[in-house]
Amino acid sequence: GENVEQHPSTLSVQEGDSAVIKCTYSDSASNYFPWYKQELGKGPQLIIDIRSNVGEKKDQRIAVTLNKTAKHFSLHITETQPEDSAVYFCAASTGGTSYGKLTFGQGTILTVHP
Amino acid sequence: DGGITQSPKYLFRKEGQNVTLSCEQNLNHDAMYWYRQDPGQGLRLIYYSQIVNDFQKGDIAEGYSVSREKKESFPLTVTSAQKNPTAFYLCASSMGQGKTEAFFGQGTRLTVV
Repeated sequence: GENVEQHPSTLSVQEGDSAVIKCTYSDSASNYFPWYKQELGKGPQLIIDIRSNVGEKKDQRIAVTLNKTAKHFSLHITETQPEDSAVYFCAASTGGTSYGKLTFGQGTILTVHP
Repeated sequence: DGGITQSPKYLFRKEGQNVTLSCEQNLNHDAMYWYRQDPGQGLRLIYYSQIVNDFQKGDIAEGYSVSREKKESFPLTVTSAQKNPTAFYLCASSMGQGKTEAFFGQGTRLTVV
């Protein structure tokens, strides 16, 4: 089955700096890669996603890049703010009728210091 | 408000008892999912259902059971056969039919003592 590895496990940055989180996946059939943000005691919330036919996607301060050949994808957050502090998860899916059937990475605790 | 409702938010049970976690959605989504989250770890898929009256095992189905009698509801039963039931349980749903985004509920924290 699919295996998703995520690094780093913790990331500490100063407000205004950029943050990068990286994930690798093992199943070449995976074609959908979402990123979720989870605040303490809450459910994950989708912040950005990318399909395998796209190399990069951007939404304001957040961007995701995908390298299908190397089987890795990354989340980039620019101009970080204290409210960006949370746990971030990458995930992969083979899609079809069940894009919610996801394999998750282990998570990255992001702390943005004011 | 449309969304996914999980109840209760906190649940305590004695060891050896079965317990059922509720998940209801009013998004008209075809597919629903149950994930388990342990401290400091990612989410792991327990069961999923793509359509009413049908469901499949995920990666860690042992000790759990589900039903999907209605499109809106996908309850999860944690049975006494589950060796380490204490965890944070998350329900999700997605449109299916090639649509992507999965929406999550706010979770139920189950503690077995």
